[in-house]
Amino acid sequence: DIQMTQSPSSLSASVGDRVTITCRASQGINNYLAWFQQKPGKAPKSLIYAASKLQSGVPSKFSGSGSGTDFTLTISNLQPEDFATYFCQQYNFNPLTFGGGTKVEIK
Amino acid sequence: EMQLVESGGGLVQPGGSLRLSCAAAGFSVTNSYVTWVRQAPGKGLEWVSGIYSDGSTYYGDSVKGRFTISRDNSKNTLYLQMDSLRPEDTAIYYCARGLPVDCWGQGTLVTVSS
Repeated sequence: DIQMTQSPSSLSASVGDRVTITCRASQGINNYLAWFQQKPGKAPKSLIYAASKLQSGVPSKFSGSGSGTDFTLTISNLQPEDFATYFCQQYNFNPLTFGGGTKVEIK
Repeated sequence: EMQLVESGGGLVQPGGSLRLSCAAAGFSVTNSYVTWVRQAPGKGLEWVSGIYSDGSTYYGDSVKGRFTISRDNSKNTLYLQMDSLRPEDTAIYYCARGLPVDCWGQGTLVTVSS
């Protein structure tokens, strides 16, 4: 199975900051990488697919990059509604696997 | 507009069974990849199972041999039959559409406890 390692597991940031979350796959997954946002008590929300493509309706403040084994999610100009937990997922190979999550908290 | 609504969660004793349902609207479960993802209390997301449009099915290692994914084309509904349940199966179970996922249900809570 492919292991997805996210870092950091949590971070503190201020409104207006730019933050970057990384996700590393244990083997190459091409660009079959998605990012999700989850707020407490809510279902996940799809943000990015194919490593860098925004889902419909997702603001351009979210951006993704990478290919192969190393990927990043960048959030610009953090706003209160962006404080949440973010997960990556590889969908190149079964079983599909998620990263452990990164909790973005207010500093 | 695409929508997924899960049901069937509840409290069940270890070793028991439960069947979850996921009613879809705005798309056909037959023509899509649909999947189950779970989240234990305070934990991350865990992929459970998926079914492709060609009917092929896949399972996570932790549920293989105990859970069965299926769909009913006439009801446009996805199911997850869960047998031999264990306390570690306690989680919110989400259904989702697409590969990659582009639509999530609201989730249904399954609690396995005596």
